[in-house]
Amino acid sequence: GAGVSQSPSNKVTEKGKDVELRCDPISGHTALYWYRQSLGQGLEFLIYFQGNSAPDKSGLPSDRFSAERTGGSVSTLTIQRTQQEDSAVYLCASSSVNTDTQYFGPGTRLTVL
Amino acid sequence: GQNIDQPTEMTATEGAIVQINCTYQTSGFNGLFWYQQHAGEAPTFLSYNVLDGLEEKGRFSSFLSRSKGYSYLLLKELQMKDSASYLCAVRALAGGFKTIFGAGTRLFVKA
Repeated sequence: GAGVSQSPSNKVTEKGKDVELRCDPISGHTALYWYRQSLGQGLEFLIYFQGNSAPDKSGLPSDRFSAERTGGSVSTLTIQRTQQEDSAVYLCASSSVNTDTQYFGPGTRLTVL
Repeated sequence: GQNIDQPTEMTATEGAIVQINCTYQTSGFNGLFWYQQHAGEAPTFLSYNVLDGLEEKGRFSSFLSRSKGYSYLLLKELQMKDSASYLCAVRALAGGFKTIFGAGTRLFVKA
């Protein structure tokens, strides 16, 4: 079956612009995670959606970051007024509630000039 | 909160055995994962431990001691393609289940 997909694969933007990153999880997976990974660094947790529960936003670095998940499926991560330090690979993962083994998408490489 | 510690880098020789350690502090522990991440790629699942003991899967084994907050990943018969980052991740019950990743251990396999 199809895995987790993310779009765009690469995004170059100018400082101050808004960007939207999309994640399409594996069908039937109720949990969805967003992470950020800078070059050579580990995964930085951003936000977690589980079913219809309120999302865990504890990892969002500032109020410029927000995410939503419509209909319990596709998720969009929005970064407003981008800064150069936002440059990173943004990874999305989904899992079933039973195992929580996370399946990752290929990521979106964001470059803020 | 949660805290996960693992060495930053390790180097080993092709054909040898290497053990990558991970220690964690968390409340509501509900399982520990190991993921492999090659440079420029997304992480992929390797193993999952929720009970104490050793889980063996081919050349890779993972061990868990819940009382010590300790796990290790054991790689046998190392191959050059095993050069990658190995991420320890802990699942905990914190207002719902959440999985947090450690910073990862970069393993270099040399000939």
